[in-house]
Amino acid sequence: KQEVTQIPAALSVPEGENLVLNCSFTDSAIYNLQWFRQDPGKGLTSLLLIQSSQREQTSGRLNASLDKSSGRSTLYIAASQPGDSATYLCAVRLWAAGNKLTFGGGTRVLVKP
Amino acid sequence: DTGVSQDPRHKITKRGQNVTFRCDPISEHNRLYWYRQTLGQGPEFLTYFQNEAQLEKSRLLSDRFSAERPKGSFSTLEIQRTEQGDSAMYLCASSPPEVAGTTDTQYFGPGTRLTVL
Repeated sequence: KQEVTQIPAALSVPEGENLVLNCSFTDSAIYNLQWFRQDPGKGLTSLLLIQSSQREQTSGRLNASLDKSSGRSTLYIAASQPGDSATYLCAVRLWAAGNKLTFGGGTRVLVKP
Repeated sequence: DTGVSQDPRHKITKRGQNVTFRCDPISEHNRLYWYRQTLGQGPEFLTYFQNEAQLEKSRLLSDRFSAERPKGSFSTLEIQRTEQGDSAMYLCASSPPEVAGTTDTQYFGPGTRLTVL
């Protein structure tokens, strides 16, 4: 059974500092990995999707890396802003598990002005 | 794209009552998913539709839960004889037809928050 873990569960940084969010997964036979953002009481917004054949994806200040052999992905957010405060979730789709996503518990981020 | 919409946004019910939620996916998205999220946790997969066919179903989906997508467009999720443990955010997502070489992003709706008293 695939397990996805995100540590730490919460993170607080001053504005301008770079954010590093970690995601680990137990089954390396992944189809893709997605990073989402969730604001309190709201749905999820997709940030980046990395296919299993890719090592990283970039969008603006966001960069996500994928290392299947070690079962890890990292989301980097450069020059953090108070508006980046949210919960960040990673989710994995496995080759053998159909279309479903398995989510980590999320990292709650607070960027202090 | 108007995005995935869900109705209602909030539902408060008494234990033992039945509730039904609706999800309208992004138009032309033939794949539709339901997830459940409890406070402080990541979403958990419930069920998946491709067009009108329910192709995947989690063991979390007990006999009290049923989902339909009769015409391959909107979907409903019904919970019968609700229990306090059913209190959660119910999220719907959709994605376009799977074609090799294209992305597989799931687009989520705002969710329906269910409170069972």
